[in-house]
Amino acid sequence: QVQLVQSGAEVKKPGASVKVSCKASGYTFTSYGISWVRQAPGQGLEWMGWISAYNGNTNYAQKLQGRVTMTTDTSTSTAYMELRSLRSDDTAVYYCARVYQSAVATHWGQGTLVTVSS
Amino acid sequence: QSVLTQPPSVSGAPGQRVTISCTGSSSNIGAGYDVHWYQQLPGTAPKLLIYGNSNRPSGVPDRFSGSKSGTSASLAITGLQAEDEADYYCQSYDSSLFWVFGGGTKLTVL
Repeated sequence: QVQLVQSGAEVKKPGASVKVSCKASGYTFTSYGISWVRQAPGQGLEWMGWISAYNGNTNYAQKLQGRVTMTTDTSTSTAYMELRSLRSDDTAVYYCARVYQSAVATHWGQGTLVTVSS
Repeated sequence: QSVLTQPPSVSGAPGQRVTISCTGSSSNIGAGYDVHWYQQLPGTAPKLLIYGNSNRPSGVPDRFSGSKSGTSASLAITGLQAEDEADYYCQSYDSSLFWVFGGGTKLTVL
């Protein structure tokens, strides 16, 4: 069965960087993309970007351009999302999701809480 | 302010039917892009509920149905059950913003 297992919770200071991993199993990793979606406490879902696991092409949300980098390691079927220059409003649960035809998230990871606090 | 507009909350008694609307614009839903719906139970990750406007993944009860018309889409839930109490999000593609989500709708089963 398809599984996406994310790395554990992180606590970071403002200005630092965080890198969240998402290990996929149960399907051919390079046949699908991965989107990253975050959810601030008590808020809705915010799309951060997408990466093709086939060729590494990326699309990032405009508001995060320059601060976010998404990568994949096909040898370990793992996707990564790095967010730099962290601010307090980056505090959120970060989800990875397997994406079908660049359009829809068919399976989601369990989420990773990133807390930014001085 | 979300690009797709959903009502913040809806409610219904067990057994009733409720609908959740999702209103977009000519750059997303109205441009012909598909709408997808996710269910997020309290404290859990979202789960795909409806894809491609009206298709249910295997395992999703047929009490859940989706439709799309013009610049809007709707999720309908019939035979409401206590376990349906959750947040529901619509999602589509936008020609300039890529993925867009609705703000979410909290369903309360009375």
